[in-house]
Amino acid sequence: QSALTQPASVSGAPGQSVTISCTGTTTDVGSYNHVSWYQRHPDKAPKLLIFEVNNRPSGTSDRFSGSKSGKTASLTISGLQTEDEADYFCSSFSSTSPHIVFGGGTKVTVL
Amino acid sequence: QVQLVQSGAEVKNPGASVKVSCKAFEYTPGYYIHWMRQAPGQGPEWMGWINPISGGTNYAQKFQGRVTMTRDTSISALYMELSSLRSDDTALYYCARKFPNYWYFDLWGRGTLVTVSS
Repeated sequence: QSALTQPASVSGAPGQSVTISCTGTTTDVGSYNHVSWYQRHPDKAPKLLIFEVNNRPSGTSDRFSGSKSGKTASLTISGLQTEDEADYFCSSFSSTSPHIVFGGGTKVTVL
Repeated sequence: QVQLVQSGAEVKNPGASVKVSCKAFEYTPGYYIHWMRQAPGQGPEWMGWINPISGGTNYAQKFQGRVTMTRDTSISALYMELSSLRSDDTALYYCARKFPNYWYFDLWGRGTLVTVSS
């Protein structure tokens, strides 16, 4: 059981937007802005999409955006494309050991 | 471009040990290499880190006594060895580089599948 809770799957048609939630507690997401998001295609290395809640590293499309409210962080994918079909997982710093916790992952399906 | 290249899949018997390698083509001071694993149907789980320069390590309490992280600076390789393997150790094992002073990983390996089965 993962420390952070994500929906198992979300889906959307090309061009639509989807949002993935990542719910934690007051010891992680609720108290720190150290939330990051990763994309993983099968048999490929996970790729950093968002760091510190809403920052995009160079190379990440601006169709990906992050936000946070209370104990829930969110990743929104706008203008959904077929190449966005992948697994997405969140991570956060935690004040309790272990100090890095992850979500269970969400499979995004492009209909 | 910096990459993390991991060793190939392994199949082990219960009770055996496995040693996974992660080859980095350059070391940058301040970047620690972390190891995570992801069991089927679950999210990643943090196992620990190693400082590639000093060799210093820190392990998750869950794996204390069973995991050893080492490095060979002569070939820019890092290793994660897990002993006394059980069936629930079956997972994809990742190495990843943590950005200094922040809590995110900016570079990952592709993962090494370790299957524990008799």
